[in-house]
Amino acid sequence: AQKVTQAQTEISVVEKEDVTLDCVYETRDTTYYLFWYKQPPSGELVFLIRRNSFDEQNEISGRYSWNFQKSTSSFNFTITASQVVDSAVYFCALSESNAGNMLTFGGGTRLMVKP
Amino acid sequence: EPEVTQTPSHQVTQMGQEVILRCVPISNHLYFYWYRQILGQKVEFLVSFYNNEISEKSEIFDDQFSVERPDGSNFTLKIRSTKLEDSAMYFCASSTAGGKYNEQFFGPGTRLTVL
Repeated sequence: AQKVTQAQTEISVVEKEDVTLDCVYETRDTTYYLFWYKQPPSGELVFLIRRNSFDEQNEISGRYSWNFQKSTSSFNFTITASQVVDSAVYFCALSESNAGNMLTFGGGTRLMVKP
Repeated sequence: EPEVTQTPSHQVTQMGQEVILRCVPISNHLYFYWYRQILGQKVEFLVSFYNNEISEKSEIFDDQFSVERPDGSNFTLKIRSTKLEDSAMYFCASSTAGGKYNEQFFGPGTRLTVL
């Protein structure tokens, strides 16, 4: 069965600090997909990134970067030079190739960036 | 930019009443989903729908729930006899192909309150 764990329930940082959100997953599949979504206070879910299990290359998009390590089953998300607008709940999610199209979400990490 | 829309944004109902939550997926998308998020908890998969039939569903999606695509644009979730524990945010999502390959785009959600 697939499972996603986000051990950090809440993180508080001061603006301009870097912050890393952890995500650890469990799957018996060799082909799977990992996602990060952002849920701002307004409540919607905003897609950030998708990664497939065969692509361990790290990715950077502006202030966001992702570190995918199959050896530790982790897909961590780093925000560099955090801003107040980054304050949100961030969800990591997993989709297995043999589990149809469902996304399994982690419990989320609430990030608070203070000015 | 095309987006998933949901109506109403907030629905209040009495226990035992039927509710229909409505979604308009992105027009060229073929896969449709419903998820729910009980306040403060993680997002949970309910059901996926493709080619006018349910492709998979979770344990949460029992006989009280049903989905329908009544026309070419709407995708609905019906709860026949609401219970207090159905109170949650319900998210509709859509994707161009199977969600394991493509990101699912989420609507803004409908907050259901059962009294």
